[in-house]
Amino acid sequence: AQSVTQLGSHVSVSEGALVLLRCNYSSSVPPYLFWYVQYPNQGLQLLLKYTSAATLVKGINGFEAEFKKSETSFHLTKPSAHMSDAAEYFCALSPTGRRALTFGSGTRLQVQP
Amino acid sequence: NAGVTQTPKFQVLKTGQSMTLQCAQDMNHNSMYWYRQDPGMGLRLIYYSASEGTTDKGEVPNGYNVSRLNKREFSLRLESAAPSQTSVYFCASSEAGATNEKLFFGSGTQLSVL
Repeated sequence: AQSVTQLGSHVSVSEGALVLLRCNYSSSVPPYLFWYVQYPNQGLQLLLKYTSAATLVKGINGFEAEFKKSETSFHLTKPSAHMSDAAEYFCALSPTGRRALTFGSGTRLQVQP
Repeated sequence: NAGVTQTPKFQVLKTGQSMTLQCAQDMNHNSMYWYRQDPGMGLRLIYYSASEGTTDKGEVPNGYNVSRLNKREFSLRLESAAPSQTSVYFCASSEAGATNEKLFFGSGTQLSVL
């Protein structure tokens, strides 16, 4: 079955430091991949998506992710963390033959002043 | 620009009680979804509706029923609530249900079953 695995349920960085949130996927064919963000007491919002047009995908709020087929990864990065980036981040995959996304377990990002 | 609206925001039930979670979207989207969110497990799909008049089971449909009342509304019913159904429930919609589409989420319903 196609799935995504997020490494690290909690990540803590200092303000201004690099943010790296890890996501690996399992799929026999290149899937569509997504990163969503959830701020406290809110629903999820789309950060960015990979649909095979380009391996480096830029999203909102300065985030980007790189699709690496050889590593089956789709890690999310941001060069400089801001306090407002504190949230939970979900990697998701669009399974072949299904019309609904499969989500990872989430990574909670904490940004220290 | 309401987007996806869920009601209620909070609910406490006793084991065995029934209730319906309501969801409505005003974006003229064809596809709608119900997910549940549990700590450490991410979001799991309960049911989805690819278009008006159709519904399909997701990963965790047991104990739930859904109704796609019209294009705007997609309700989730718990017939006999169990403590295992304590969770945060999210409704979402997308324009046409294509696999590369963006999902729009409501703000969630926090349900506790005692």
